[in-house]
Amino acid sequence: AQTVTQSQPEMSVQEAETVTLSCTYDTSENNYYLFWYKQPPSRQMILVIRQEAYKQQNATENRFSVNFQKAAKSFSLKISDSQLGDTAMYFCAFTNGMKTSYDKVIFGPGTSLSVIP
Amino acid sequence: GAVVSQHPSRVICKSGTSVKIECRSLDFQATTMFWYRQFPKQSLMLMATSNEGSKATYEQGVEKDKFLINHASLTLSTLTVTSAHPEDSSFYICSASPTATTGELFFGEGSRLTVL
Repeated sequence: AQTVTQSQPEMSVQEAETVTLSCTYDTSENNYYLFWYKQPPSRQMILVIRQEAYKQQNATENRFSVNFQKAAKSFSLKISDSQLGDTAMYFCAFTNGMKTSYDKVIFGPGTSLSVIP
Repeated sequence: GAVVSQHPSRVICKSGTSVKIECRSLDFQATTMFWYRQFPKQSLMLMATSNEGSKATYEQGVEKDKFLINHASLTLSTLTVTSAHPEDSSFYICSASPTATTGELFFGEGSRLTVL
């Protein structure tokens, strides 16, 4: 069974600094998608970044980037120049790729990130 | 990006009554929608997969008769919590995707249910 693990329940970072959130997953699939979702205090889930497993290049979205290590099944999120608005729960998520029908998205337990002024 | 709207955002009801939560895809058709339950400071727990025109697929441990799901059109899925009790109080979130291939989900705003 596929699982997603986030070993850091809570983290904090000073404003303008850089922080890295960890995520590991377990799957026997070769093609799949990985995501980082953000859930701010408003509770609205927002996609931060997406990585396709068959792409070796790490995904980047402005201040957000990932370190995707397929062999190690690791998918960490780096937030640069942290801003107060980055304060949120961050969920790592996984789903099978190469699909023709909808499949479950499996979420990790989450990391609560606090950005300190 | 795709927009999913969920209503109501907050609902308070008396024990024993039923509550309906709506989830709409506003700018795309969604043959499949997902319903999650989230407890405070916890992750999203998938309750069921809602399929347009057919019965929902429930996750193990989720009571089908307690949580009724109807997906009558390509843009609307509803979750009805029947005979609600205080232990059903929670945050419920729906999601959908315009395409099956990438797995990217778009989420509704969520609904906070409080059962007195």
